[in-house]
Amino acid sequence: DAGVTQSPTHLIKTRGQQVTLRCSPKSGHDTVSWYQQALGQGPQFIFQYYEEEERQRGNFPDRFSGHQFPNYSSELNVNALLLGDSALYLCASSSNLISSYEQYFGPGTRLTVT
Amino acid sequence: EDQVTQSPEALRLQEGESSSLNCSYTVSGLRGLFWYRQDPGKGPEFLFTLYSAGEEKEKERLKATLTKKESFLHITAPKPEDSATYLCAVQKEGTSGSRLTFGEGTQLTVNP
Repeated sequence: DAGVTQSPTHLIKTRGQQVTLRCSPKSGHDTVSWYQQALGQGPQFIFQYYEEEERQRGNFPDRFSGHQFPNYSSELNVNALLLGDSALYLCASSSNLISSYEQYFGPGTRLTVT
Repeated sequence: EDQVTQSPEALRLQEGESSSLNCSYTVSGLRGLFWYRQDPGKGPEFLFTLYSAGEEKEKERLKATLTKKESFLHITAPKPEDSATYLCAVQKEGTSGSRLTFGEGTQLTVNP
């Protein structure tokens, strides 16, 4: 049973550029959440997608946007990159049909902005 | 605003020396409290979900408990492979989504 997968593993970008990160959820899951984790801190919620719609959003600027595809996979897009966007970006999947609401995380994408 | 505070920030134990990690939370209606383990540079690994005060769950050397204001993760006779950062998160009831609000984590080091 494949778990949550993310690509790429690592990414180096320059300030002002745009980046797209990808996530495939665990088999049987229909909901994808994205989190940003700065070094030494806990993950911060960016947004959650269900049925191809953004269902919840955290306190992140509009430079952060996303998309969910019919196969439940998801993308996170960040425009006009800032140095402060350097972090580990985590994708988590869950099932809206299971009342446990447990979220399972992928390995993350390490983004470095120079 | 939902808030999660974990203590201590870092804990160093000798192999076999039992201890507890604390997670204090403030949330207007708790749907669930989650514990994760995170190894350096990797994604968090799910450990437990607790839903109501008085609930306990165990897995190998780990036992999680929940009260109305805090949760404890008890580690019995830890081994070096238990070294990791342990994260606590809460999920609020009554919302259409299932976002998690995390604490900053406790970095556990177990020396042989």
